[in-house]
Amino acid sequence: AQTVTQSQPEMSVQEAETVTLSCTYDTSESDYYLFWYKQPPSRQMILVIRQEAYKQQNATENRFSVNFQKAAKSFSLKISDSQLGDAAMYFCAYRRLRNNAGNMLTFGGGTRLMVKP
Amino acid sequence: GAGVSQSPSNKVTEKGKDVELRCDPISGHTALYWYRQRLGQGLEFLIYFQGNSAPDKSGLPSDRFSAERTGESVSTLTIQRTQQEDSAVYLCASSPGLAGDTQYFGPGTRLTVL
Repeated sequence: AQTVTQSQPEMSVQEAETVTLSCTYDTSESDYYLFWYKQPPSRQMILVIRQEAYKQQNATENRFSVNFQKAAKSFSLKISDSQLGDAAMYFCAYRRLRNNAGNMLTFGGGTRLMVKP
Repeated sequence: GAGVSQSPSNKVTEKGKDVELRCDPISGHTALYWYRQRLGQGLEFLIYFQGNSAPDKSGLPSDRFSAERTGESVSTLTIQRTQQEDSAVYLCASSPGLAGDTQYFGPGTRLTVL
């Protein structure tokens, strides 16, 4: 079974600075998807960024980028120029490649990000 | 278009009562998922519907939990004889049903069992 681990329960960053959230996972498969979701106090899960394991290039979305290290099974999220609105819980998630039973997301325990003005 | 909606937003019930939670997926999405999120924790998969295929119930924690889906629309998660450990946020997500597609989440239902 796949597992996802987020070793940082809480992180803090100064507004406009850069912060990196860590995620490691365990799988025996070679092809899969990785995601970072943001969950503000409203509870709504919002997709931040996704990475296909077969792609060597790290995904980027504006201020958000990932460092995907497939051999190390590591998938960290970097947030540049942090804004107050970035404060939320961040969840790393894994998903199998196959489009059949087993399409669910496996989530890590989350990291609470606080942004200081 | 409209996103995933869930009702009720909050539900308080007494131990031993049955509850029904509703999810309206995005129109056209053939895949629908239910997850549970206990306080301060990540999401746990409960059940997955894909079109007319048999649902994947591998995440349901006990036989008190069941879910139904009408075609490719509304889904209802039912918890019978609720227990205090059932208290959690129940999140629904839908997706187009394609390989590697993105799951879009609803706002969840916060269930409190007294």
